[in-house]
Amino acid sequence: NAGVTQTPKFRVLKTGQSMTLLCAQDMNHEYMYWYRQDPGMGLRLIHYSVGEGTTAKGEVPDGYNVSRLKKQNFLLGLESAAPSQTSVYFCASSYPSGGLNTEAFFGQGTRLTVV
Amino acid sequence: GENVEQHPSTLSVQEGDSAVIKCTYSDSASNYFPWYKQELGKGPQLIIDIRSNVGEKKDQRIAVTLNKTAKHFSLHITETQPEDSAVYFCAANYRGSQGNLIFGKGTKLSVKP
Repeated sequence: NAGVTQTPKFRVLKTGQSMTLLCAQDMNHEYMYWYRQDPGMGLRLIHYSVGEGTTAKGEVPDGYNVSRLKKQNFLLGLESAAPSQTSVYFCASSYPSGGLNTEAFFGQGTRLTVV
Repeated sequence: GENVEQHPSTLSVQEGDSAVIKCTYSDSASNYFPWYKQELGKGPQLIIDIRSNVGEKKDQRIAVTLNKTAKHFSLHITETQPEDSAVYFCAANYRGSQGNLIFGKGTKLSVKP
């Protein structure tokens, strides 16, 4: 059981380049999330999805777009990368039960550097 | 906006001692409070959680307490071991955003042998 898998694990981009981070989960979870983690800032929610075909903005959505075409996949896109987007990105998924929060499972992270 | 404050940011203890990490939250409607452990180079992993209908929960050496009136909750680790060294995050759900979690900024725990 792979859980939550993120691709790639590392990436270096030049300012202005674009890229897509892929998150895949095999637990049939409804909810999926993208977070960024910066030193001393904890985890901040970028975008999230409560089901296939739905997306919503989180705390820090500017400069990112997302898509959830399939239930098991959640893509995070950077259209024009900026140095401020240098961070570690985490994908997570969960299956709220009866409207209650349950455990969120995290991927291993993607370390992105924008130069 | 809603936030979660976590203290201390770093904590160093001797092996066998206890460690306590404290968090306060601002959303009085929050009802789910998980704690995550993040080891170097890995994603966060849930270690314990508590819901607002209980005041304390234990799992072997780990316990969490919740004071809804004061809006704070704490993680207690007893008989610490070197493998407890990691960054710990508290979180609270924000009912105004479909229950999404708001995380504290983390506590780096070092357990010295």
